[in-house]
Amino acid sequence: AQSVTQPDIHITVSEGASLELRCNYSYGATPYLFWYVQSPGQGLQLLLKYFSGDTLVQGIKGFEAEFKRSQSSFNLRKPSVHWSDAAEYFCAVDLLTDKLIFGTGTRLQVFP
Amino acid sequence: EPEVTQTPSHQVTQMGQEVILRCVPISNHLYFYWYRQILGQKVEFLVSFYNNEISEKSEIFDDQFSVERPDGSNFTLKIRSTKLEDSAMYFCASSEERDRGREQFFGPGTRLTVL
Repeated sequence: AQSVTQPDIHITVSEGASLELRCNYSYGATPYLFWYVQSPGQGLQLLLKYFSGDTLVQGIKGFEAEFKRSQSSFNLRKPSVHWSDAAEYFCAVDLLTDKLIFGTGTRLQVFP
Repeated sequence: EPEVTQTPSHQVTQMGQEVILRCVPISNHLYFYWYRQILGQKVEFLVSFYNNEISEKSEIFDDQFSVERPDGSNFTLKIRSTKLEDSAMYFCASSEERDRGREQFFGPGTRLTVL
């Protein structure tokens, strides 16, 4: 079945540590890929997106993501996490229809 | 910076009542969406709207739901007879174009609680 999987429900890191949030998709063709962040009480903010070309994409707030076709993955990374990065992170795909399909989200907790 | 706004931020209603959730998309956007997120679950697509008509809807979007763009700025989601299972966060989104990989801009959401 077509799906977007975020295998980590909850991740805890120390401030200053590196971060990688995983996202895998299961579709026949390569979709368009997005990472959104949701802070408490806020809407969904786009961090970055991948359409084509360079498989390493840079986003806002120091985040980057790497598309790996062979692994059907689009993992989000940040070299040094800040306390303000604590939030819920959603991977999403666009199959060129009128909708985004979201993963279940990963809640990031940052300890000082 | 332009943003999508939603009102109210929290709506409490009795089962069987009608509710209308309101959204003001970004002014030059042409495509509008509603999504919902039941507590602890993922964000799910409900409906997309363009040129004053629904362009796609999910199986969740049954006859109890309707959308409307009553004027040039508002975009509403109506639930005619709410059920307990309609309790969720409802997000409105808008996008400028329908091109490949267009970005959807999301509002802060309306939390609907059905008692």
